[in-house]
Amino acid sequence: AQSVTQLDSHVSVSEGTPVLLRCNYSSSYSPSLFWYVQHPNKGLQLLLKYTSAATLVKGINGFEAEFKKSETSFHLTKPSAHMSDAAEYFCVVFITGGFKTIFGAGTRLFVKA
Amino acid sequence: DADVTQTPRNRITKTGKRIMLECSQTKGHDRMYWYRQDPGLGLQLIYYSFDVKDINKGEISDGYSVSRQAQAKFSLSLESAIPNQTALYFCATSDLTSLGTGELFFGEGSRLTVL
Repeated sequence: AQSVTQLDSHVSVSEGTPVLLRCNYSSSYSPSLFWYVQHPNKGLQLLLKYTSAATLVKGINGFEAEFKKSETSFHLTKPSAHMSDAAEYFCVVFITGGFKTIFGAGTRLFVKA
Repeated sequence: DADVTQTPRNRITKTGKRIMLECSQTKGHDRMYWYRQDPGLGLQLIYYSFDVKDINKGEISDGYSVSRQAQAKFSLSLESAIPNQTALYFCATSDLTSLGTGELFFGEGSRLTVL
């Protein structure tokens, strides 16, 4: 069975410190993996995606994620948090063979001044 | 202007009322989706359509219906709204180019409250 687990429902960091949002997945097929961000009262915006090319993926606003097949993980990182990064982040798996998209439950990121 | 537009953005209604949420897109995508977001549950697929003549049920279609009026328009209806349908609803699109990767393009959401 395919699934996505975001290991933290809430993460709080101080401005200027690193961000780590954790995501593990389970898939019998080679997946495509995404991170989306949702700011208050907004839709979901694509941050970055992994589609079986380079395992280290760079996205917008300084975010990046590394696909680790052996650990079935796709953690999202950013070296230095900014106040504008405060939002909810979703890890998403797309099962190519079955054309099925599975969303994680989301991680809310708080950034303290 | 947004590529994927949802109306209304906010709606408060009463139990038993019929509600329609509308979605239109200017991206030229064939595929359209309706998702429901509840806190702590991520997004759940209600219905999806791969073209005007194709409608498919998602994970949580009970209590909902859809209409694909044109390539660019996809509406979600609640025939008789109930309080546990209070949620944030998203329309999304994708096309053949993004199909292989699964990338979705989202509207800004419609917040529905059923009293």
